[in-house]
Amino acid sequence: GAVVSQHPSWVICKSGTSVKIECRSLDFQATTMFWYRQFPKQSLMLMATSNEGSKATYEQGVEKDKFLINHASLTLSTLTVTSAHPEDSSFYICSARGRRGTFMNTEAFFGQGTRLTVV
Amino acid sequence: GENVEQHPSTLSVQEGDSAVIKCTYSDSASNYFPWYKQELGKGPQLIIDIRSNVGEKKDQRIAVTLNKTAKHFSLHITETQPEDSAVYFCAAIESNTGKLIFGQGTTLQVKP
Repeated sequence: GAVVSQHPSWVICKSGTSVKIECRSLDFQATTMFWYRQFPKQSLMLMATSNEGSKATYEQGVEKDKFLINHASLTLSTLTVTSAHPEDSSFYICSARGRRGTFMNTEAFFGQGTRLTVV
Repeated sequence: GENVEQHPSTLSVQEGDSAVIKCTYSDSASNYFPWYKQELGKGPQLIIDIRSNVGEKKDQRIAVTLNKTAKHFSLHITETQPEDSAVYFCAAIESNTGKLIFGQGTTLQVKP
């Protein structure tokens, strides 16, 4: 399968600061990236979808000014949690779908996830 | 939109036995159904998927079946091993948006 690399794997930050999480597709062009949030023992909750070069589309209830998503290239998307608060503590996971050459993949591949703890 | 229901929420089997996880979906136009395995503290890993033009797909000890009429699909793991213990998620692609909609997850425990 394709490789999606997400960094950092964990981060601790103070309330009020911002945190940036990176998601890279290493061996394919990620035309679409998805960002999820996962609470303990729960399923993945889609936060937003971004297409390369376009503004992200946020799911209902997700604050776009708090969770800034940038997808400026076909191999990199970033999620910035601004003015983080303890309630933002969670497991954040990116996923990428794209193409290798002229073949468009339906499959979505996930990064390793980032454990964010806001203290 | 798409809605995916997954059962059971937990499943415990003895090593060597088979495990079956079932999912139903609501969007009759969905055409792609992946299964993911998630280990603790890691991102989901695609283990097998099936498209709507086939009824069954197998990869070694893992198989997936799809019944389009009934709108359900299942994951079958044979000869289970302790390393199969994880949380398994089914998903279906929402036809009008391309989003992956996930089931609630199944925690599989394989006892040695």
